Amino acid sequence: QSVLTQPPSVSAAPGQKVTISCSGSSSNIGNNYVSWYQQLPGTAPKLLIYDNNKRPSGIPDRFSGSKSGTSATLGITGLQTGDEADYYCGTWDSSLSGNVVFGGGTKLTVL
Amino acid sequence: EVQLVQSGAEVKKPGESLKISCKGSGYSFTSYWIGWVRQMPGKGLEWMGIIYPGDSDTRYSPSFQGQVTISADKSISTAYLQWSSLKASDTAMYYCARQIVFGGYAIDYWGQGTLVTVSS
Repeated sequence: QSVLTQPPSVSAAPGQKVTISCSGSSSNIGNNYVSWYQQLPGTAPKLLIYDNNKRPSGIPDRFSGSKSGTSATLGITGLQTGDEADYYCGTWDSSLSGNVVFGGGTKLTVL
Repeated sequence: EVQLVQSGAEVKKPGESLKISCKGSGYSFTSYWIGWVRQMPGKGLEWMGIIYPGDSDTRYSPSFQGQVTISADKSISTAYLQWSSLKASDTAMYYCARQIVFGGYAIDYWGQGTLVTVSS
């Protein structure tokens, strides 16, 4: 059971838009920045979004992030077949002794 | 170019010890925290802990405290993850990662992963 809650799967057609939600609490998302990671099959995760809505160099603006209260959302527009991957949200959780926590991951299928 | 290069896959028996490595290059190794993340087969990401190679300050996730040891040798820009007595449940892919320790603790660079298989 992950501390952050994501839908197990989402799907959409090529060219369409999809959003992936990430729900937490005041001890994590509510008081810390959120990051998003893309994990293509058989590869290491890759940073897509940091500090809620910032994109590292090289990440296309088709990927966007937002946060409201204790939830965050990853948006992907102009879906491509190459976007098929697992997506994870992550942040710091200040409960107990402090810990980085991740969502359980969302499998994106581009139909 | 920032790179984290991990040691190769390992196959071990229960009860054996193991130390895997992660060599950083392309940046000041002593100025960034290095974390370790576990991914069990078919499962999600789990944060294990971090180390600051500059002074070896180390912090563990409560879930992994006492189960593993994180260390670093700054003279060769390498971080380590070790077990003293492996269990079958330690079978997983292990990633090292460069971690930003403010804000949301984002991970900006990841190693390629080391697959550890523990089986009798």
